[in-house]
Amino acid sequence: QMQLVQSGPEVKKPGTSVKVSCKASGFTFTSSAMQWVRQARGQRLEWIGWIVVGSGNTNYAQKFQERVTITRDMSTSTAYMELSSLRSEDTAVYYCAAGGDLGVWGQGTLVTVSS
Amino acid sequence: EIVLTQSPDFQSVTPKEKVTITCRASQSIGSSLHWYQQKPDQSPKLLIKYASQSISGVPSRFSGSGSGTDFTLTINSLEAEDAATYYCHQSSSLRTFGQGTKVEIK
Repeated sequence: QMQLVQSGPEVKKPGTSVKVSCKASGFTFTSSAMQWVRQARGQRLEWIGWIVVGSGNTNYAQKFQERVTITRDMSTSTAYMELSSLRSEDTAVYYCAAGGDLGVWGQGTLVTVSS
Repeated sequence: EIVLTQSPDFQSVTPKEKVTITCRASQSIGSSLHWYQQKPDQSPKLLIKYASQSISGVPSRFSGSGSGTDFTLTINSLEAEDAATYYCHQSSSLRTFGQGTKVEIK
């Protein structure tokens, strides 16, 4: 079945970067779009950006434009989201999701930013 | 940025009751509107895509309607397992989510 498995929780210091991975299985990764969404505790879902896997084209929310990079490795069917210049407000669960309709979701990765 | 506003923010409902959640977009988005269910400590789950298209495996009591700027998610005959937060999401121009509607079972 279609599945996305994300990397484990991270604890980072302010000003550093984090890179979260998302490994896909059960569908044609190269024909998909991979998206990233985050959710701070008790808050709404917030869209970060996406990558069209086949072309490598990316699109980011304006809020994250300067700090986020989404990439993919087609040889391992894995997508990555790297967020730099971390601050405490970036503490959240980060999700990857597949498809234009976000039909398949990963389990989430908790990123904690704390000094 | 397209802003999605859901109403209500919270609803307390008796089992078997009908639930209606609305989502209004700040500009026309055609049918590029999707609905998700999120239970505590779980990932969101796609319920309805492109305003009214059903998803395999999702109970038929969930339905969606609307186009342009006004959309509705309807849950017919609510069941206890439907207690969750529901989000709308637009894919017309970049992407944004509504603020969520929490549905509680009385």
